[in-house]
Amino acid sequence: DSGVTQTPKHLITATGQRVTLRCSPRSGDLSVYWYQQSLDQGLQFLIQYYNGEERAKGNILERFSAQQFPDLHSELNLSSLELGDSALYFCASSVMESYGYTFGSGTRLTVV
Amino acid sequence: GENVEQHPSTLSVQEGDSAVIKCTYSDSASNYFPWYKQELGKRPQLIIDIRSNVGEKKDQRIAVTLNKTAKHFSLHITETQPEDSAVYFCAARRGSARQLTFGSGTQLTVLP
Repeated sequence: DSGVTQTPKHLITATGQRVTLRCSPRSGDLSVYWYQQSLDQGLQFLIQYYNGEERAKGNILERFSAQQFPDLHSELNLSSLELGDSALYFCASSVMESYGYTFGSGTRLTVV
Repeated sequence: GENVEQHPSTLSVQEGDSAVIKCTYSDSASNYFPWYKQELGKRPQLIIDIRSNVGEKKDQRIAVTLNKTAKHFSLHITETQPEDSAVYFCAARRGSARQLTFGSGTQLTVLP
């Protein structure tokens, strides 16, 4: 157990729907990062939060949004889902922005 | 932004042989270079990292070398074992950036 908790582990939904992925960082970690990993693809950075504030944005679609709450857990909202959104979504956390990440186990999203 | 290229995409070695994976980065201001190992269906796990003020770092059978002039860094695994089989990702971060940029990954297979 890495200490980073992601729920749910698996999610199957239909095109056009909206889902919310949840991440609880390791105790003491203030930074949360979201990455998308498609089949046979690398890790694509989506967005980062630090202590409740958005700090960096990657190639995140306008249909996707995220936030970090006062208790430091984060949610990634994916709407108007398309087949191409099927992927593994990882959350990672770090105590400071200059340190390495600890990844959660991911949420496997399947859009049908 | 930062761009990280990783080679080779696949690598097969005999058990007991050494494996080397190479990455190049584009931004000379990058100063942190971690390596992650991802087993099938699991989360990426940090195995070793190096900062720009160090040329080499070792941890048992794993070592990372950094050549700042050429902007490349490499992962060396000696005495490979079947359990080393996984996808390995390199990453880089600029000092001013908050997120890691990952390479495309190397599928390492250690043949018994």
